[in-house]
Amino acid sequence: EVQLVESGGGLVKPGGSLRLSCAASGFTFSSYSMNWVRQAPGKGLEWVSSISSSSSYIYYADSVKGRFTISRDNAKNSLYLQMNSLRAEDTAVYYCARAKPPLTVTLDYWGQGTLVTVSS
Amino acid sequence: DIQMTQSPSSLSASVGDRVTITCQASQDISNYLNWYQQKPGKAPKLLIYDASNLETGVPSRFSGSGSGTDFTFTISSLQPEDIATYYCQQYDNLPTFGQGTKLEIK
Repeated sequence: EVQLVESGGGLVKPGGSLRLSCAASGFTFSSYSMNWVRQAPGKGLEWVSSISSSSSYIYYADSVKGRFTISRDNAKNSLYLQMNSLRAEDTAVYYCARAKPPLTVTLDYWGQGTLVTVSS
Repeated sequence: DIQMTQSPSSLSASVGDRVTITCQASQDISNYLNWYQQKPGKAPKLLIYDASNLETGVPSRFSGSGSGTDFTFTISSLQPEDIATYYCQQYDNLPTFGQGTKLEIK
């Protein structure tokens, strides 16, 4: 069974940093592109970042480019999102999602999400 | 960025009704469009990919069509468990989602 479990969310002050993790199981993690998608409270979905299976291709939404860094460790079956210079508008539930091959941003499995709150 | 305009933003229908949601792209995206269902407090679920392909395990009452800039998502016979918010997503360029359609039972 495919499972994606996010962790690392919490309350952080504006300008602060946070690192999210996503532990994957039930599939060959190293063969799939992975993504982060976020959802502000009561709002719609916003794609954040994508990373290819071997980390060769990485993409970011303009809203987070230069502040967020996506990475992965295939040996640990884990995906990460390093978030720096956090702003109030980054407050959201952050979902880790697997891409349906051979596509890279068609998301066939999602985690339950982890809440990030940016507030003083 | 490619903008996705989804309509309506909310919809009330009766069990058994045929329900249609539309999504319009700000430029030609071929068939690079997906549809997701999100129930309250849950993660989204992929229903339709490449505009018209039904994801494995998804009931056949769900369908999608369209290409270019205009796309349609249809539930042929609404069931109580279909109450959710539905999103379109384009992936011709960096992915963007429509604003969502909240579907309620009348």
